[in-house]
Amino acid sequence: EVQLVQSGAEVRKPGESLKISCKASGYRFTNFWIGWVRHVPGHGLESLGFVHPADSDTRYSASFEGQVTISADKSLNTAYLQWTSLQASDTAMYFCVRPVMAWSQIDLWGQGSVVTVSS
Amino acid sequence: QSMLTQPPSVSGAPGQRVTISCTGSSSNIGANYDVHWYQQFPGTAPNLLIYGDSMRPSGVPDRFSGSKSGSSASLAISALQAEDEADYFCQSYDIVLSTYVFGTGTTVTVL
Repeated sequence: EVQLVQSGAEVRKPGESLKISCKASGYRFTNFWIGWVRHVPGHGLESLGFVHPADSDTRYSASFEGQVTISADKSLNTAYLQWTSLQASDTAMYFCVRPVMAWSQIDLWGQGSVVTVSS
Repeated sequence: QSMLTQPPSVSGAPGQRVTISCTGSSSNIGANYDVHWYQQFPGTAPNLLIYGDSMRPSGVPDRFSGSKSGSSASLAISALQAEDEADYFCQSYDIVLSTYVFGTGTTVTVL
């Protein structure tokens, strides 16, 4: 089955670090871009960025450049989203996504990972 | 990030036709970038409903259709059914932002 399975919900304090994961299965991981989209209630969906697992080429949305790190390990078929210093504004549901090709429609979504940042 | 504008909610009786608009700008929809539509039920991940402005993935009922004109796009549900009650949002690419832009989302209610 073609799917993206994400790591579970996380609760952190402001200033703490975090790395969430997304394991792909059922397709050739190195053939597709994979990335992250977040949903903040009341603020809609925002794209954070994408990585191509074949060569680790990474593209960040301007709003998130320098705020997060997106990476992929092709030996594990897993993509990652990482923060070094979380802020309360990072509280959101994060979806791992696979577009059909760069910047085209997203045909595969992970189940979502809730990240809560609160003191 | 800039967003595409959708009405917060639309409603209709079973069997009625409803449409959802998605308004962008000259840097996304107006620049002729493809518009895609997704359906999302509470607590689940979104599901691709329409791609490339008007194409339906296999398995999507033909009562769903998409169109685009100028800087706007529309999703139509021709014969509303109870199971269509969900959130819908559009998506395109923005050449200025160099990233995806998403719609604000529309909740469809079946009366």
